[in-house]
Amino acid sequence: NAGVMQNPRHLVRRRGQEARLRCSPMKGHSHVYWYRQLPEEGLKFMVYLQKENIIDESGMPKERFSAEFPKEGPSILRIQQVVRGDSAAYFCASSPMGDPNTEAFFGQGTRLTVV
Amino acid sequence: AQSVAQPEDQVNVAEGNPLTVKCTYSVSGNPYLFWYVQYPNRGLQFLLKYITGDNLVKGSYGFEAEFNKSQTSFHLKKPSALVSDSALYFCAVRGSSGGYQKVTFGIGTKLQVIP
Repeated sequence: NAGVMQNPRHLVRRRGQEARLRCSPMKGHSHVYWYRQLPEEGLKFMVYLQKENIIDESGMPKERFSAEFPKEGPSILRIQQVVRGDSAAYFCASSPMGDPNTEAFFGQGTRLTVV
Repeated sequence: AQSVAQPEDQVNVAEGNPLTVKCTYSVSGNPYLFWYVQYPNRGLQFLLKYITGDNLVKGSYGFEAEFNKSQTSFHLKKPSALVSDSALYFCAVRGSSGGYQKVTFGIGTKLQVIP
């Protein structure tokens, strides 16, 4: 059973370009979480999705950021018109359900560098 | 709003000595508590969790954590530190009252085990 797969592992974008980060949850997992890790700032929650639904996007910036988890295929975190401040590691986690007893499993992350 | 505090940015301990990484939390209802470890350039790995029951929870790699309700703490411990334990450790909490609540992570504590 493969773990949570994120790609690409490293992504370089110029300011103003779009960044697309992909996350394939573990097999059988229908819940996906995205987190951003900035240097010296720890892990910040961004969004929680189930298949075809956004459950909690309270951590998403109001502009330029969007996320989806379609019925088929991976979850996508999309950042439009990237700026230098978007440079960070973005982690995806998945769980089989929204049960608070259940821990989430993390991917290796995508390191975005905006130049 | 729920929160997690990891009061120490870094903990240094000599190899073979016991280690403690501190965590306190604030949440409504009963807490669900987690510890994760992150090695350089890797995703977070689940170590252990407290849901209910015995206050002393045992996890991976010889780690354990003690839940203390009166002090709202969930400190991570290990009787004898290894150099390979050097990593970034995250405490996380999730509330149990009323429907969905997201997992909130602490800022992380860097553990340095000195040979």
